[in-house]
Amino acid sequence: ETGVTQTPRHLVMGMTNKKSLKCEQHLGHNAMYWYKQSAKKPLELMFVYSLEERVENNSVPSRFSPECPNSSHLFLHLHTLQPEDSALYLCASSQGLAGWTGELFFGEGSRLTVL
Amino acid sequence: AQTVTQSQPEMSVQEAETVTLSCTYDTSESDYYLFWYKQPPSRQMILVIRQEAYKQQNATENRFSVNFQKAAKSFSLKISDSQLGDAAMYFCAYRSFDGSEKLVFGKGMKLTVNP
Repeated sequence: ETGVTQTPRHLVMGMTNKKSLKCEQHLGHNAMYWYKQSAKKPLELMFVYSLEERVENNSVPSRFSPECPNSSHLFLHLHTLQPEDSALYLCASSQGLAGWTGELFFGEGSRLTVL
Repeated sequence: AQTVTQSQPEMSVQEAETVTLSCTYDTSESDYYLFWYKQPPSRQMILVIRQEAYKQQNATENRFSVNFQKAAKSFSLKISDSQLGDAAMYFCAYRSFDGSEKLVFGKGMKLTVNP
C-alpha cells in the first residue's frame, strides 16, 4: 500500500445510523486532514491533526467526530447526519506543519450519501 | 479572510492545444503561497504547481506554467500541448505565510480535453 488510502469508498446511511470513515497514510507524514467536498463549492477544511493532536476544528457540527490514534491513521465518526452532509470526504496528509510548503497528499475520498 | 475565485466552472480544449485556467484571490498579505491542484475523475487530487509570492519568476513544471500577477491578484495556469490525461477538476488554492495550516481553495473548474 502506498500513499493515502480511504475506506469505504462509498457509504449510504440513514439519518439515525452511526458509521465511521477511515484514512491511512503510508508516507511517514505527521499531519492529517479531513476535507468536505461538495459540488460547486470550495473544499471545506474540517479538521487538522498534527502529531496526533487536533490543531484545527473548523466550526464543524458535533455530529462529526474525528479520531487520530496515531500519525498514520485518521477516522471520522458519523452519527445522526443530515441529508446536506452528503458529500465527498477527502483525507489528506502532509509532512508536518512547521515549514510546510502547502503540498497535501490526498486519498481518493469516501462518497457519503445520507438518506 | 482570504478568498479564492475561479470564475469559469468548465472549459474544454482540443488535444495538443493550449488552454489557460484563471484564478483570482483576495488578500491583504504580502507573502503567501499559491497552488494549482488537479483532481482526475475518481482519483486522488495532486499538486500540479506551486508559486511563492515573493518570487517574481513564474513557476513552470513541464507543460504547466503559471502567470502570476501579484498586483492584480491573478494566478492563471497554462497547460501546453494538452493531453487526454489532463482532463480533470482543477483547483486554485492559497496559503498564508503566517503558519496557518489552512489551504483556501476555489470552487474548481472542470477541464475537458477533446481528441
